[in-house]
Amino acid sequence: NAGVTQTPKFQVLKTGQSMTLQCAQDMNHNSMYWYRQDPGMGLRLIYYSASEGTTDKGEVPNGYNVSRLNKREFSLRLESAAPSQTSVYFCASSPSAGVNNEQFFGPGTRLTVL
Amino acid sequence: GQSLEQPSEVTAVEGAIVQINCTYQTSGFYGLSWYQQHDGGAPTFLSYNALDGLEETGRFSSFLSRSDSYGYLLLQELQMKDSASYFCAVRDRTGFQKLVFGTGTRLLVSP
Repeated sequence: NAGVTQTPKFQVLKTGQSMTLQCAQDMNHNSMYWYRQDPGMGLRLIYYSASEGTTDKGEVPNGYNVSRLNKREFSLRLESAAPSQTSVYFCASSPSAGVNNEQFFGPGTRLTVL
Repeated sequence: GQSLEQPSEVTAVEGAIVQINCTYQTSGFYGLSWYQQHDGGAPTFLSYNALDGLEETGRFSSFLSRSDSYGYLLLQELQMKDSASYFCAVRDRTGFQKLVFGTGTRLLVSP
């Protein structure tokens, strides 16, 4: 099992460019999440998907959109990148009825917006 | 809303014991979790406390006091590989598995 995979690992964008971050999990989890982590900070939730076909905003959704393509895949799109979106982006997944708050994280995408 | 406070940095030597504290404010409590993150890596789950008391997993233990809105992670027999950031997290009040993370404690273990 690969767990949670993310592509790309690194990306440099110019202000105003768009891109999509891809995430996939092979653990048959119902719930998936996108976080951003800025230097010296904790993880802040951007969007989440409780189950296939549903998505909801998290703490910092402005400037982002998401698509839950199927049970395995959850993508994050930046329509018009801004320098403030320079960050490390983590995708995570969990069983919807998990009893211990465990989320499984991907390796992250390091995004720089110039 | 919810907020969590942790010390920003803790230092210790190999073989020692260190405690990382976490205080939280939340309108609905569904458990306190701890995650470890090495530099450049992804967060990984360490432990979870839903009820008061101590949970032990090898060299790591986690404690919760719901009446004090307080918990801690205890790391024993420290090793160099324990140098990492440690985050506490509480489950969102909606009851769904939406976590709110603290800003993290950077643990530096020296020889």
